[in-house]
Amino acid sequence: SQTIHQWPATLVQPVGSPLSLECTVEGTSNPNLYWYRQAAGRGLQLLFYSVGIGQISSEVPQNLSASRPQDRQFILSSKKLLLSDSGFYLCAGSGENTDTQYFGPGTRLTVL
Amino acid sequence: QKEVEQDPGPLSVPEGAIVSLNCTYSNSAFQYFMWYRQYSRKGPELLMYTYSSGNKEDGRFTAQVDKSSKYISLFIRDSQPSDSATYLCAMSGVSGGSNYKLTFGKGTLLTVNP
Repeated sequence: SQTIHQWPATLVQPVGSPLSLECTVEGTSNPNLYWYRQAAGRGLQLLFYSVGIGQISSEVPQNLSASRPQDRQFILSSKKLLLSDSGFYLCAGSGENTDTQYFGPGTRLTVL
Repeated sequence: QKEVEQDPGPLSVPEGAIVSLNCTYSNSAFQYFMWYRQYSRKGPELLMYTYSSGNKEDGRFTAQVDKSSKYISLFIRDSQPSDSATYLCAMSGVSGGSNYKLTFGKGTLLTVNP
């Protein structure tokens, strides 16, 4: 199975500041990669997914963007954070031609 | 109607009880079914993966899929306090491409009391 690394674990940022969350994958090549946000009582919301380098699909129009500069690296960014961007951000990966997704430990973001 | 329905609980049981967690779904194209366990403030971890209808057992855990009723279950035997977590069901169909997306339930919070 693969291992998903995410950092930082916790982040507190002021409104209007930029954001960069990084996710890296070990144990597989050509993974599909996903960014989710989890809010209390609302379940997992898929934000972005990527099937290859430079290929990003956005699920929800919002203040965030994603990039995939390398095969096993996925980055979630924002130019100016909003209060509503607070939440628990999870990166996940699945192997080529498989539905099973493995999750990272998550980043808890608080925007003040 | 939501694609996947899962009772959020909370569900509280005594240690040693048999726990039944369930999800219903509306999309008949779903063929792959998963259960994830998520401890507080951690990422979800994959517990069980099943394809189509039937049962799959792994230790104290049994996953059951009934496609005719669009109903999936996770049974936990001899529940332990360490099983206390949120359990998420997830499913997907034949995507026809390489963008394998999962549809998740909102999760059931389980507490096993010693």
